Amino acid sequence: RKEVEQDPGPFNVPEGATVAFNCTYSNSASQSFFWYRQDCRKEPKLLMSVYSSGNEDGRFTAQLNRASQYISLLIRDSKLSDSATYLCVVTLHTGKLIFGQGTTLQVKP
Amino acid sequence: GAGVSQSPRYKVAKRGQDVALRCDPISGHVSLFWYQQALGQGPEFLTYFQNEAQLDKSGLPSDRFFAERPEGSVSTLKIQRTQQEDSAVYLCASSFRTSGAVQETQYFGPGTRLLVL
Repeated sequence: RKEVEQDPGPFNVPEGATVAFNCTYSNSASQSFFWYRQDCRKEPKLLMSVYSSGNEDGRFTAQLNRASQYISLLIRDSKLSDSATYLCVVTLHTGKLIFGQGTTLQVKP
Repeated sequence: GAGVSQSPRYKVAKRGQDVALRCDPISGHVSLFWYQQALGQGPEFLTYFQNEAQLDKSGLPSDRFFAERPEGSVSTLKIQRTQQEDSAVYLCASSFRTSGAVQETQYFGPGTRLLVL
């Protein structure tokens, strides 16, 4: 079983749609949680950190449920430029990042 | 300012060849990480340096993989006797703080795409 599990998709949605991604992690000692975005043939870039209280950055909302070991990302009013792979990431005390497989989003006009 | 740079960007090797991949982290960053990303997968941790000390090499897949950071800045990942299963993108990341700091941001380089024929 992978330490971080995501539905690889692809998710194909029209512009303006709301789309939600989820992931689960297996290690209850995980300390920090992130969503990274990776464009095709590019490096991963930090999209946002994830907190138990939930956090929002413009059209993006992230949520962490420690009890269920579940992380979510909600994208509202999808844009064509949101098309990418979204990587769910956790860290342990060592600092190394543990990535999920990634969820591919394709926003269509 | 300059980000993390990696070279070469692309490398084609014949099976059995040795390769060396270079990473230049952001100036002043203490922590340096190497990850391997196979096609269609998320990156997987290989090894971690704090300055020149290699503190974690648990992700290196075999003893053919070796990494160093002798002066605590530039790092080299070396793969000996390459195999086809080594074909992947090798990503380097650096961060300012030492490992263990909560939610420190790792900045990734563009990666080296290795193809072993």
